[in-house]
Amino acid sequence: KAGVTQTPRYLIKTRGQQVTLSCSPISGHRSVSWYQQTPGQGLQFLFEYFSETQRNKGNFPGRFSGRQFSNSRSEMNVSTLELGDSALYLCASSLAGTPGSGANVLTFGAGSRLTVL
Amino acid sequence: AQTVTQSQPEMSVQEAETVTLSCTYDTSESNYYLFWYKQPPSRQMILVIRQEAYKQQNATENRFSVNFQKAAKSFSLKISDSQLGDTAMYFCAFIRIQGAQKLVFGQGTRLTINP
Repeated sequence: KAGVTQTPRYLIKTRGQQVTLSCSPISGHRSVSWYQQTPGQGLQFLFEYFSETQRNKGNFPGRFSGRQFSNSRSEMNVSTLELGDSALYLCASSLAGTPGSGANVLTFGAGSRLTVL
Repeated sequence: AQTVTQSQPEMSVQEAETVTLSCTYDTSESNYYLFWYKQPPSRQMILVIRQEAYKQQNATENRFSVNFQKAAKSFSLKISDSQLGDTAMYFCAFIRIQGAQKLVFGQGTRLTINP
């Protein structure tokens, strides 16, 4: 069973540009969530999608957005990049919504490391 | 809002020793899950162990076990017979059972296993 796949794994952008990150969840997982990891702020929740609907959003500016497609794949976009957006962006998927003790277990992808110059 | 606190930024032990990582949390929820995730230098976040709050029995996974004290809101991880491959950042995390799948993480503990 394939795991959570994130692309690209590494990317370098300059200030003011925008970036789109992709996440393919484990087959059958309907929830996809995104996290930003930085040395200073740790792991912070960005947003979560379930059945193409955003159910929750973290405390990030509107430059950060996302969406989920009908096949559960998700993308997140960051516009007008700032130096402080340099981070590891982690995607996780889960069965959420399916009865059972495994529903709340999040499986993570390997991450996309974004460097903003 | 939920918060998770890990008070040990770094720990270091010798191979084969036992080590305990501490975690406390704060929530008004009665039903939730707690997790320990491991993040080795590869940066891949790996689930180590999980605990359902409604279960009184402490979870175990091979060399990994937890001490879950619900009333004290404490959730520590014990690693027995530690191995070099256990070297990693360890994160304690909380999630509500209902609603959006939002993990709340602690700050992490950097664990080093020395040969």
